[in-house]
Amino acid sequence: DQQVKQNSPSLSVQEGRISILNCDYTNSMFDYFLWYKKYPAEGPTFLISISSIKDKNEDGRFTVFLNKSAKHLSLHIVPSQPGDSAVYFCAASALLGISGGSNYKLTFGKGTLLTVNP
Amino acid sequence: KAGVTQTPRYLIKTRGQQVTLSCSPISGHRSVSWYQQTPGQGLQFLFEYFSETQRNKGNFPGRFSGRQFSNSRSEMNVSTLELGDSALYLCASSPKETQYFGPGTRLLVL
Repeated sequence: DQQVKQNSPSLSVQEGRISILNCDYTNSMFDYFLWYKKYPAEGPTFLISISSIKDKNEDGRFTVFLNKSAKHLSLHIVPSQPGDSAVYFCAASALLGISGGSNYKLTFGKGTLLTVNP
Repeated sequence: KAGVTQTPRYLIKTRGQQVTLSCSPISGHRSVSWYQQTPGQGLQFLFEYFSETQRNKGNFPGRFSGRQFSNSRSEMNVSTLELGDSALYLCASSPKETQYFGPGTRLLVL
């Protein structure tokens, strides 16, 4: 059962426009969400995160929105640049865990390939 | 600060052999996690170590094991390799909630 879903395998955007990447989750215990960017044969690079106590977090061109009632989050990239072309992964963790202890296990979506065209 | 480093970067083994992969976390990070990435299954959590103790474990067979040393460096071992173990193995370290990944070790099992 996929607990984190990225339903769009790919997205193509023109340079300068907004890129919106979406992610849905099913586990209501998730309380911390992250976005990573990944190039082939490299490790994921952390972009931005959001705690479940917030609904928005901004860092430069990247903004993450969280809608807890819909169990949905999205990553906005404005303006998009050709160097943003990569696979983007959404990840979630249930920090407190079932026993109340720290739980750093990340559950990843399958990723969305973003292509930004010049 | 230096990032997470993993050695070796590439490895070729044959079925039945065993392999040990190494990870050095970012200085000061006490938590180290391991993930497996394959085209079919995506990124899957293997286990997490904190202060030399395994704190979390994913759904992988007992052939996959790990350990963490007092300097937070970690190793993972896969025994009796199978063809399906071919994957990119990623190590991540974290000071708190956010995990920072290394470049990975590409393992090919023939």
